[in-house]
Amino acid sequence: AIQLTQSPSSLSTSVGDRVTITCRASQAISSALVWYQQKPGKPPKLLIYDASRLQSGAPSRFRGSGSGTDFTLTINGLQPEDFADYYCQQLETYPFTFGPGTRVDIK
Amino acid sequence: EVQLVQSAAELKKPGESLTISCNGSENTFSNYWISWVRQMPGKGLEWMGRIDPTDSYINYSPSIQGHVTISADKSINTVYLQWSSLKASDTAVYYCARRSRSDYYYYGLDVWGQGTTVTVSS
Repeated sequence: AIQLTQSPSSLSTSVGDRVTITCRASQAISSALVWYQQKPGKPPKLLIYDASRLQSGAPSRFRGSGSGTDFTLTINGLQPEDFADYYCQQLETYPFTFGPGTRVDIK
Repeated sequence: EVQLVQSAAELKKPGESLTISCNGSENTFSNYWISWVRQMPGKGLEWMGRIDPTDSYINYSPSIQGHVTISADKSINTVYLQWSSLKASDTAVYYCARRSRSDYYYYGLDVWGQGTTVTVSS
């Protein structure tokens, strides 16, 4: 199975900051990577699909980039509602594994 | 509004059987695959498997294969997750979610159910 690692595992930041989360795959997966946001007690919400395409309804401050094995989720101008957990998932090969997650909280 | 509606929370004992469900619209079950995702208490997301509701073709994660069964009844637009013998380690929130069957892009899981909490305790 393809393994995904995320870094950092957590970060403390402030409203207005730029946040960068990385996701690395154990083998090349082209653009078969998506990003989710999850808040406590809620199901995940899809933010980015196909590595860099913004899901309908997701704010434009979220940006995905990368291909192959290295991917990045960038949040430009963090808003109070962005404090949450973020997960990447690969869709290249079954099983469709998730990364371990990154928690973004308030400094 | 597109929705996936899951069955209510369950409290079961080890060794008991259980089936939870996920219901959607006819359009969803014709044009999307349905995945099940597990989230154990305080932990991350784990993809369990997916089913094509039109023909019940299934891909399981090796980590859960043999312990759970995914099935579908397309006549009532419902997908199921079933255990024949629960363990305490099955305690988790289980989500169903849909993914487009189109291969134009690598689409993600774009609509999720509200989650079903399963608690297994003696």
